[in-house]
Amino acid sequence: QSVLTQPPSVSGAPGQRVTISCTGSSSNIGAGYDVHWYQQLPGTAPKLLIYGNSNRPSGVPDRFSDSKSGTSASLAITGLQAEDEADYYCQSYDSSLSGWVFGGGTKLTVL
Amino acid sequence: EVQLVESGGGLVKPGGSLRLSCAASGFTFSSYSMNWVRQAPGKGLEWVSSISSSSSYIYYADSVKGRFTISRDNAKNSLYLQMNSLRAEDTAVYYCARVLISGELEYPFDYWGQGTLVTVSS
Repeated sequence: QSVLTQPPSVSGAPGQRVTISCTGSSSNIGAGYDVHWYQQLPGTAPKLLIYGNSNRPSGVPDRFSDSKSGTSASLAITGLQAEDEADYYCQSYDSSLSGWVFGGGTKLTVL
Repeated sequence: EVQLVESGGGLVKPGGSLRLSCAASGFTFSSYSMNWVRQAPGKGLEWVSSISSSSSYIYYADSVKGRFTISRDNAKNSLYLQMNSLRAEDTAVYYCARVLISGELEYPFDYWGQGTLVTVSS
């Protein structure tokens, strides 16, 4: 099991809004460590999507946003497009493990 | 253009060793912390190891501690991962990844290589 828990899959129709949750604990998200999000298209390397306090690397559309509360975080995607179909991973730092931890990943299907 | 190119993967028997390399270009390699992240077939991402820009700080996941060694050669713009005592559960695509902010270690990874597949099987 991953230290950060994500739903295995989510789906939505084009144009809709979907959210992906990421649940951690008091040694990672709950300890105040930032949560970062990656997108992995089929057969490719992960791509940094959102980091820190809702920062988006150049080229990432503002349809992607994030939030954090307590021991959980969420990624929201609005105006869903076919090209958003991918696996999404959350990442944070864990003080008890002294290292980075990832969520198990969520497969987004655009219906 | 930032480029990270991994090499050295392949088929190895349990208990064997392998050394992965990551050739970096398009940025000042010596200024950035680097990481290895792996992904088992059909599975999620797993952080393996981090190394600071000057190799002063090195960290490992518990799953590889004592078996894997991360290193870098800033003169050659290269990152390495020496993997010993390999197990079947080490089978994965191994990615090298750059930390977003130069001089920092605890930031996310903004550039990733294409990965190299390591298969541990008899």
